[in-house]
Amino acid sequence: DAMVIQNPRYQVTQFGKPVTLSCSQTLNHNVMYWYQQKSSQAPKLLFHYYDKDFNNEADTPDNFQSRRPNTSFCFLDIRSPGLGDAAMYLCATSRDLAETQYFGPGTRLLVL
Amino acid sequence: DAKTTQPPSMDCAEGRAANLPCNHSTISGNEYVYWYRQIHSQGPQYIIHGLKNNETNEMASLIITEDRKSSTLILPHATLRDTAVYYCIVRSRGGKLIFGQGTELSVKP
Repeated sequence: DAMVIQNPRYQVTQFGKPVTLSCSQTLNHNVMYWYQQKSSQAPKLLFHYYDKDFNNEADTPDNFQSRRPNTSFCFLDIRSPGLGDAAMYLCATSRDLAETQYFGPGTRLLVL
Repeated sequence: DAKTTQPPSMDCAEGRAANLPCNHSTISGNEYVYWYRQIHSQGPQYIIHGLKNNETNEMASLIITEDRKSSTLILPHATLRDTAVYYCIVRSRGGKLIFGQGTELSVKP
């Protein structure tokens, strides 16, 4: 089945230690998004890639970066995680910016 | 993108229809109404979307009022697995998905 895959489902990191979360898709969609969802809050868009073009949201902290080496994969890098970065990180894809977004299962990040 | 207002929580008996309302009084002509749901600790799941006409798929029906200022998502025969947070989002074509707080639906036996 075509889908959006996020690994791992749970990630534990230490305060200040860089961490990378990964997302892959078999849908061949042009757009890949990263959202952050803190406990009891709604998902919030961090950035997206349209093909190779990176689009950052204005209020996304510099601590968060992303890479998209090819159509199928997109990575979220957190350079120096703080305790406040503990959250569920959601990857989504869409065929085009105007099309419906489909989400992966999320990676829950714990910062110790 | 227009803002939406949803009740924070609702209950529904298993097997009955769940009717989830959403107000979007500032919606503009080119904005779509999208519904997603999020089961606990999972990613949001797309349910349905519409512009002006009522829509139906295998999961749900979407009823949009003629003035487009409100809509209702209908799950015709709710099951325990439909317990989730339901998000109503108004989005222009190509616009961002901006999630509000949603409605926490509890389906009870």
